[in-house]
Amino acid sequence: GAVVSQHPSRVICKSGTSVKIECRSLDFQATTMFWYRQFPKKSLMLMATSNEGSKATYEQGVEKDKFLINHASLTLSTLTVTSAHPEDSSFYICSAIYTSTDTQYFGPGTRLTVL
Amino acid sequence: GESVGLHLPTLSVQEGDNSIINCAYSNSASDYFIWYKQESGKGPQFIIDIRSNMDKRQGQRVTVLLNKTVKHLSLQIAATQPGDSAVYFCAETPPGNTPLVFGKGTRLSVIA
Repeated sequence: GAVVSQHPSRVICKSGTSVKIECRSLDFQATTMFWYRQFPKKSLMLMATSNEGSKATYEQGVEKDKFLINHASLTLSTLTVTSAHPEDSSFYICSAIYTSTDTQYFGPGTRLTVL
Repeated sequence: GESVGLHLPTLSVQEGDNSIINCAYSNSASDYFIWYKQESGKGPQFIIDIRSNMDKRQGQRVTVLLNKTVKHLSLQIAATQPGDSAVYFCAETPPGNTPLVFGKGTRLSVIA
């Protein structure tokens, strides 16, 4: 149990376009999901906390108008990178809290490359 | 010179030996700790967790030790295998329903 999926696993887009990344908890409901960004050889950097039915909470320095988060259901959160630029290229990872144990489980990540 | 943070600390061990990966956490009030394993190009995978009311917890081939006095966490892997090669992150949960705080990570390299 406690499986989190992400789609797509890899995306390449042109500069200026928007990209949507989906995060799903497959076998449990998650009122809280998290979005992280990870640069090569670095640890995970929390971008925002996604709460079902309410606005996301963004970490300092993360532009909420650029990284739109929608947590429309108890099993799905989406991250939309708007007007993507090459510096947005990164590995984006989501996670969800499995409330039975309070453990955070991670998705497999999405590699975004902006040309 | 080499800048701190550009390269993860690396631990190299022989296949079959035991591995010990260490982590210093930051918040003395953190009450829940997790070790994650991350293979190249993949998301972090849960390995084992421990709550602050314990100082040791064992799983299959892995043991986590918690020393709250010095805010230190360690992950011991018995009979290390090539498949254990990955980056290992510790994470702590500060009080107050706040998100996980990740450590910098350690790269484990298993020599066959």
